[in-house]
Amino acid sequence: ETGVTQSPTHLIKTRGQQVTLRCSSQSGHNTVSWYQQALGQGPQFIFQYYREEENGRGNFPPRFSGLQFPNYSSELNVNALELDDSALYLCASRSGQGLSEQYFGPGTRLTVT
Amino acid sequence: SQQGEEDPQALSIQEGENATMNCSYKTSINNLQWYRQNSGRGLVHLILIRSNEREKHSGRLRVTLDTSKKSSSLLITASRAADTASYFCATVMDTGRRALTFGSGTRLQVQP
Repeated sequence: ETGVTQSPTHLIKTRGQQVTLRCSSQSGHNTVSWYQQALGQGPQFIFQYYREEENGRGNFPPRFSGLQFPNYSSELNVNALELDDSALYLCASRSGQGLSEQYFGPGTRLTVT
Repeated sequence: SQQGEEDPQALSIQEGENATMNCSYKTSINNLQWYRQNSGRGLVHLILIRSNEREKHSGRLRVTLDTSKKSSSLLITASRAADTASYFCATVMDTGRRALTFGSGTRLQVQP
């Protein structure tokens, strides 16, 4: 166990709806990153938050947005859901913006119908 | 987009055998990391190798890095049924953002 928790575990939404996924980082970690993993693929970087500011973003449209709170927990929001958004969403935390390993949560499985 | 490719995509071996997985990448890196994922759940960090290192060991794991060929390999010795999982390499670029860029993964099945 890494100490990173995510909620909910599973979620089913309808195309066009909005969804919010939550992540609690490991104690002492102030950087949270979000990844999307489609079935059979490796994770793809969505964005990263460091001390409540977004400081890195992958190739995802603006309907993917996020927040980081003063306790360093984080939310991922996805608006106008599309079928292709169905995936496992992973968050990972670490201390600082360094280049070290990241600690992943168990993920949220999102299904869009 | 994925940073690179992993080879093979799938590997099936018997318990006690060694498993070797390869990873190629495209850009200059600061370090390369290997992660394991069980049944589509969270990833677990296995080992990190920096660009100025050539080989690293951790228990039954041995990782090599060849920056001239932009490739890495992960060797698991004396495999066990519990090693059955997907294995991903991930790179951190030398400059720019500090996110992990993952390969497509190798699915390892260890038969008891």
